Amino acid sequence: DQQVKQNSPSLSVQEGRISILNCDYTNSMFDYFLWYKKYPAEGPTFLISISSIKDKNEDGRFTVFLNKSAKHLSLHIVPSQPGDSAVYFCAATAYTSGTYKYIFGTGTRLKVLA
Amino acid sequence: DAGVTQSPTHLIKTRGQQVTLRCSPISGHKSVSWYQQVLGQGPQFIFQYYEKEERGRGNFPDRFSARQFPNYSSELNVNALLLGDSALYLCASTPWAGSGGELFFGEGSRLTVL
Repeated sequence: DQQVKQNSPSLSVQEGRISILNCDYTNSMFDYFLWYKKYPAEGPTFLISISSIKDKNEDGRFTVFLNKSAKHLSLHIVPSQPGDSAVYFCAATAYTSGTYKYIFGTGTRLKVLA
Repeated sequence: DAGVTQSPTHLIKTRGQQVTLRCSPISGHKSVSWYQQVLGQGPQFIFQYYEKEERGRGNFPDRFSARQFPNYSSELNVNALLLGDSALYLCASTPWAGSGGELFFGEGSRLTVL
């Protein structure tokens, strides 16, 4: 049962354009949603998060949008840079049995073309 | 400040053997979680420990066990290794167990089972 889904395994974007990465979820009890970036041979690094009570959060070039009615979130990167090329994971958390459990999607590989 | 450190970074085992992976959290962080990332998938939750007590367990067989020490470092043990245990094992730390916020990941231990 995949509660967090990233349906696009890969995405290519020209440098300077917008990158939009999408994520869908099924559990309406999720409290927080996070985006992580992962380079090869490194651990995932945190990018940006959003609480379930908000619909938008912005940090520099990164903006996350949450549509609770559609159970959908997206990460916008503007402008995209070659250094943004990485695998992006969305994650969702819910408080269960005394702790927060994190569920990750399968990732989207972003390639930014110079 | 040192981030989350994991050892070893790479290791090769044969089926049936046992492996121990180690993790040191960020200074001041009291919660450690373990994740398994199989190629092409997102990280999957294995265990969470907080103040030396298990606070959460994912859907993994009893061959997987973990513990947390008084200095908040942690070990993940896997017995009777199977080929399917080949994966990147990630450790993540947080200041406490119940925040739902950012997980700080180490670079991982890549296990290959032959």
